[in-house]
Amino acid sequence: DQQVKQNSPSLSVQEGRISILNCDYTNSMFDYFLWYKKYPAEGPTFLISISSIKDKNEDGRFTVFLNKSAKHLSLHIVPSQPGDSAVYFCAASALTSYDKVIFGPGTSLSVIP
Amino acid sequence: EAQVTQNPRYLITVTGKKLTVTCSQNMNHEYMSWYRQDPGLGLRQIYYSMNVEVTDKGDVPEGYKVSRKEKRNFPLILESPSPNQTSLYFCASKTGAEAFFGQGTRLTVV
Repeated sequence: DQQVKQNSPSLSVQEGRISILNCDYTNSMFDYFLWYKKYPAEGPTFLISISSIKDKNEDGRFTVFLNKSAKHLSLHIVPSQPGDSAVYFCAASALTSYDKVIFGPGTSLSVIP
Repeated sequence: EAQVTQNPRYLITVTGKKLTVTCSQNMNHEYMSWYRQDPGLGLRQIYYSMNVEVTDKGDVPEGYKVSRKEKRNFPLILESPSPNQTSLYFCASKTGAEAFFGQGTRLTVV
C-alpha cells in the first residue's frame, strides 16, 4: 500500500497559468515533505520542502501548502513556464528517521506555450 | 561541481550474470542511497548507508547487495540479475533532508 500518493499521473496547463500538483500521505509519522522535479534522462533535483510545523513555504514561483489534518500537500507553480514541464515527485520522511524517504509515483506536468 | 556520478548509464545484461553499478559523490556526504524507479511506483529505496561500513535495507532490497568501504563510493551489486530487476536506478547522497541524485542507470535484464 502506497504511503505517498499522487493521484494525477499527468497534468496539462497553459503557460502563464497556475499549476497545482497534489499529494496525499497516509502515515501520520511523516513530518517533513519534499518535492523533486525530474527531466527525462536526468536524476531528480530538489525543488522545495516543508516541515510539519508550517503550513506554507514559498520559493519564488513555487509554493507548497500542507494540510496536516487532511494529510494533504500541494505544490503551486505560478506562473507556469514551458521549462517547468517535467515529472514532479512528492516525498515524505519522519525527521526522527530521515534516512527513510518515501516517494510518490509522480505527476507529469506539461506546460503548453 | 557538486555531483553524484553513476556508471554505466545504460546496461543490457543476461539473467544470472553478476553486475555492479558504481556510484560516487564528491560532496563528502555521509548518507548515500539507491533507488529504483518503475512506472506508477515512483522511486523505491533499495539500500541506504549512513556512513562507511554502515548499510541498511530499504523497501525493496531483495536481489541486491551494497558495500560502503569509503565515504565517496556506494556500489550496487546484482549477484544474479533477473528480468524483474529491469528498471531505472538512481544513486543519491545527502547531508540534510534534501538529496542529490545521479543521472540514473537504465538496466535491462533479458
